[in-house]
Amino acid sequence: SQTIHQWPATLVQPVGSPLSLECTVEGTSNPNLYWYRQAAGRGLQLLFYSVGIGQISSEVPQNLSASRPQDRQFILSSKKLLLSDSGFYLCAWSVRQSGYEQYFGPGTRLTVT
Amino acid sequence: AQSVTQLGSHVSVSEGALVLLRCNYSSSVPPYLFWYVQYPNQGLQLLLKYTSAATLVKGINGFEAEFKKSETSFHLTKPSAHMSDAAEYFCAVTPRGHYGGSQGNLIFGKGTKLSVKP
Repeated sequence: SQTIHQWPATLVQPVGSPLSLECTVEGTSNPNLYWYRQAAGRGLQLLFYSVGIGQISSEVPQNLSASRPQDRQFILSSKKLLLSDSGFYLCAWSVRQSGYEQYFGPGTRLTVT
Repeated sequence: AQSVTQLGSHVSVSEGALVLLRCNYSSSVPPYLFWYVQYPNQGLQLLLKYTSAATLVKGINGFEAEFKKSETSFHLTKPSAHMSDAAEYFCAVTPRGHYGGSQGNLIFGKGTKLSVKP
């Protein structure tokens, strides 16, 4: 069966510090991968998605970036965090060919202080 | 552009009462539709999905949803609420392409928080 991991589970970082969040998927090949953010009181915002290694599409201009160095690894990064980057970050995957439902990881709670 | 509207950001029901969470979509072509549930500080879990088979879809935990094309709706119901149903529920769509396949990315509603009173 497929599983998706995210780490760390929680993170407290000062403004201006760098960020690296990691997501890995097991039990499937060639998945579509997604990064979402949930800010307090707001819905899910799609940040990035990837259909293959090195292929990243950005949905929202911001100081975040994403990379996909391996088929089942998706990394969210920032060089300098802003207060507005606080939120709950969710990684998700879907089967590439069908593109139907997405399966979500457990999330990372980021607090920027 | 495709959009999803969830009526009611908060819904409160008594334990044992009917749960009804509303979702309407905008699309000229019926999309694929999903309901997800999120418990506090957890990821989203797929409850059920509609991809053009039966219009009444049964999901996990006793939930079901009915696709009504004439009303562009996909409301989520459960006959009898349980305390463990308290969570946030998200409706989502993915546009159907010209040849019937999905175009991939999900569009989420803003969510409805369900409270269950004892």
